[in-house]
Formats: sequence, C-alpha cells, structure tokens
Amino acid sequence: GAVVSQHPSWVICKSGTSVKIECRSLDFQATTMFWYRQFPKQSLMLMATSNEGSKATYEQGVEKDKFLINHASLTLSTLTVTSAHPEDSSFYICSARTVGQGVYEQYFGPGTRLTVT
Amino acid sequence: ELKVEQNPLFLSMQEGKNYTIYCNYSTTSDRLYWYRQDPGKSLESLFVLLSNGAVKQEGRLMASLDTKARLSTLHITAAVHDLSATYFCAVDRYNNDMRFGAGTRLTVKP
Repeated sequence: GAVVSQHPSWVICKSGTSVKIECRSLDFQATTMFWYRQFPKQSLMLMATSNEGSKATYEQGVEKDKFLINHASLTLSTLTVTSAHPEDSSFYICSARTVGQGVYEQYFGPGTRLTVT
Repeated sequence: ELKVEQNPLFLSMQEGKNYTIYCNYSTTSDRLYWYRQDPGKSLESLFVLLSNGAVKQEGRLMASLDTKARLSTLHITAAVHDLSATYFCAVDRYNNDMRFGAGTRLTVKP
C-alpha cells in the first residue's frame, strides 16, 4: 500500500529556533499535500494545503510567515516552524493525496511530535 | 463551509456491549472516512464509504452511510479492550481538503 513518511518523528527545540519537518510519499506521486496540527486530546486541524510547484493555501488563523510550507516535488513537502514558541508544541501530521482518472486517495504520515522548550 | 459533528465525544463501555458512534456532516460530500487513533500515534484507516447505503464491516466494527441524512454510524459489537482508542470520522470533497469530526474517545472496561 501507499506509504507516507515523516521526519523527524519527534523533535525538541528551544524557543526562538526553527524546525523543519519533512513529509514524503514513498511509492506514489502526491498532487496535493496537507498539513494538520493536533493538540492533545483534540481533533486534527488543517493548517495548509499545498500543490507541487505552487504556493500553499493556508487556513484562516494560520500564520504564513511562521509556518513555511514548501512543496518542491511530487514526493516531498516540508513544513518549517520558524521562531518556535512553546505554544507551537503539537503533533504535526501530513497527508498526501494522489489523483488518477478522477479517483483520488489520501494517505497520512505517522506524525511528528514537536516540543518547544 | 463543511462541518462535521461527531457524538458522543466520550464513550465508556463494558466489554461485550454494543454501541454506536454518530457522525453528521453539513454539506454534500464525495466520501466519508472512519479512522482510529491510538495515543501518540497517527491515523489508522478503518473504512471509506463512497455511496448512499454503503455498509462495511471489519471484525467488531461496522460503518454505514446515509448520504440523504448526511449521517454515518460506526457500530461496535461486543466490545473488547483492544478497541479502546479515539475514533474520528472525516469528510471530504474532490479537490478539497478533509474535515474531521472532534473524535470519540472510547474506553472499553473489563
């Protein structure tokens, strides 16, 4: 089956530093990738949608300059949390969507747990 | 705007009992999904429901979809402890993102 990987699986960083999270579709090309954030005991909230080669579309309330998303290829998207603060500590999950002949499938990565100290 | 409501949010069950989780959504959709999430883990896909009247079963879980009522149910039969997890329903539309319900935290007690 289709696999989406994320790296790192967990990261601890100091307040004020930047962290980059990678999301890769290992055995398929993803036309669209999504980034979700999940706080403890809450649901997944969509942060942004990105299409390869295009600028990401951010959900209302998500700071574009803080959460930089790059979707440079059909198999890789990155989320960079810039100048991280403790309130950015969360579980970040990416998802990759592939489309073929009008049929689409979406697969989720294993998540990255970010802790900002 | 597509909204997804799930209930109950918390469910404590005795082993061997049956129960149903409900998922309502606000606008027409192409698909409805059910996911399981264990603590500290990402999502595990359980079911994808595509059409009105669709019913899928896997083990003690059965999901159904009524597109006219915009309602899906996840029925748990003879619950066992291993089913303890958080269950999410999600809805999406072609060329749009997936929207999640709030999740149902299920605890199955012996």
